[in-house]
Amino acid sequence: KAGVTQTPRYLIKTRGQQVTLSCSPISGHRSVSWYQQTPGQGLQFLFEYFSETQRNKGNFPGRFSGRQFSNSRSEMNVSTLELGDSALYLCASSFGTVNTEAFFGQGTRLTVV
Amino acid sequence: GESVGLHLPTLSVQEGDNSIINCAYSNSASDYFIWYKQESGKGPQFIIDIRSNMDKRQGQRVTVLLNKTVKHLSLQIAATQPGDSAVYFCAETEQGGSEKLVFGKGTKLTVNP
Repeated sequence: KAGVTQTPRYLIKTRGQQVTLSCSPISGHRSVSWYQQTPGQGLQFLFEYFSETQRNKGNFPGRFSGRQFSNSRSEMNVSTLELGDSALYLCASSFGTVNTEAFFGQGTRLTVV
Repeated sequence: GESVGLHLPTLSVQEGDNSIINCAYSNSASDYFIWYKQESGKGPQFIIDIRSNMDKRQGQRVTVLLNKTVKHLSLQIAATQPGDSAVYFCAETEQGGSEKLVFGKGTKLTVNP
């Protein structure tokens, strides 16, 4: 059974650009959540999608957005990149019913220069 | 505000010893708790979970204890091995149909041979 797949693994972007990250959840999982991990702030929740609907959102600016497709795959987008957006972006998938195990991908390491 | 914290940022043990990693949480509405292990360059890996209607749960070499009175969570690793060296995070979720995880800052466990 394939795990959570995130692409790309590494990305270097310039300030002001935008970026799209992709996440393919475990087969059968309908919930996809995104997290930002930095040394200073740790793991912070960005948003969660379930059946193509955003079910919860963290405290990030509107430059951070996401979506989920009918096959449960999800993308997140960051526009007008800032240096502070450099981080490891992690995707987690779960069945999405009440508090079930969430499995993480390897993450996308984004560096903004 | 909501937060999940850890008592110690680092823990060093000898191979074969038992390890105890602690976590304090502040949200009394949290009803599901998870421990994750994160190795360098990888995403968090699910270790064990516990629901608020339990105070202890055991897995293979790991035990999680939950004390709701003092809002404290601990992870015990028996016969710690070098492969257990990693950063350990506790995370919590609230009741109510979302998979949002609130993570602690993490404890770096180093196992000395």
